[in-house]
Amino acid sequence: QQPVQSPQAVILREGEDAVINCSSSKALYSVHWYRQKHGEAPVFLMILLKGGEQKGHEKISASFNEKKQQSSLYLTASQLSYSGTYFCGTEYVILGSHAGGTSYGKLTFGQGTILTVHP
Amino acid sequence: KAGVTQTPRYLIKTRGQQVTLSCSPISGHRSVSWYQQTPGQGLQFLFEYFSETQRNKGNFPGRFSGRQFSNSRSEMNVSTLELGDSALYLCASRPGGGTEAFFGQGTRLTVV
Repeated sequence: QQPVQSPQAVILREGEDAVINCSSSKALYSVHWYRQKHGEAPVFLMILLKGGEQKGHEKISASFNEKKQQSSLYLTASQLSYSGTYFCGTEYVILGSHAGGTSYGKLTFGQGTILTVHP
Repeated sequence: KAGVTQTPRYLIKTRGQQVTLSCSPISGHRSVSWYQQTPGQGLQFLFEYFSETQRNKGNFPGRFSGRQFSNSRSEMNVSTLELGDSALYLCASRPGGGTEAFFGQGTRLTVV
């Protein structure tokens, strides 16, 4: 089941802040955030694991509310380079029975949020 | 460290034909997932392979299939192509669950 993102689109001026939300109806093991620019592959921003802490680097950070199965991506003092489509990906642990013994999950993505930053 | 390589980058096929797409993951990554991306539909999960076994599958018809080889390279096959199969197909490699995914540049498939 895909996570739900909101809003679908955001228009900002340079220097403004934005918040993108991601919610799931199922218990989450991890939440991923990616940014995709037009004509390019999605690029990893950050991952938040169940039981982990809020993460961030520079002006982009994210939180993970395990009780509500929600995550938010915070972009502060936006720059032109922040423009693109942001996807949240969610993962549920599915225990495998292979030799490695490592758990893994099905990483599914929301519909995306189109962020446009104007000068 | 080489990234994820997908070939070919572009394909044009006729309705009814079949197509095979290839993905070479990052060395050491055992998990390869495939996604279909169309305008307005986001990234739709097709399937995931881990150590040559399909462990997860999305809601796509049986015309979509895949496999993974012992060197972790993966192929995706679509048979009896339909116009609606036109899309960007992305593969992503990961070491395993709970880790970041690295995407290839994708294969742009056009069905005419």
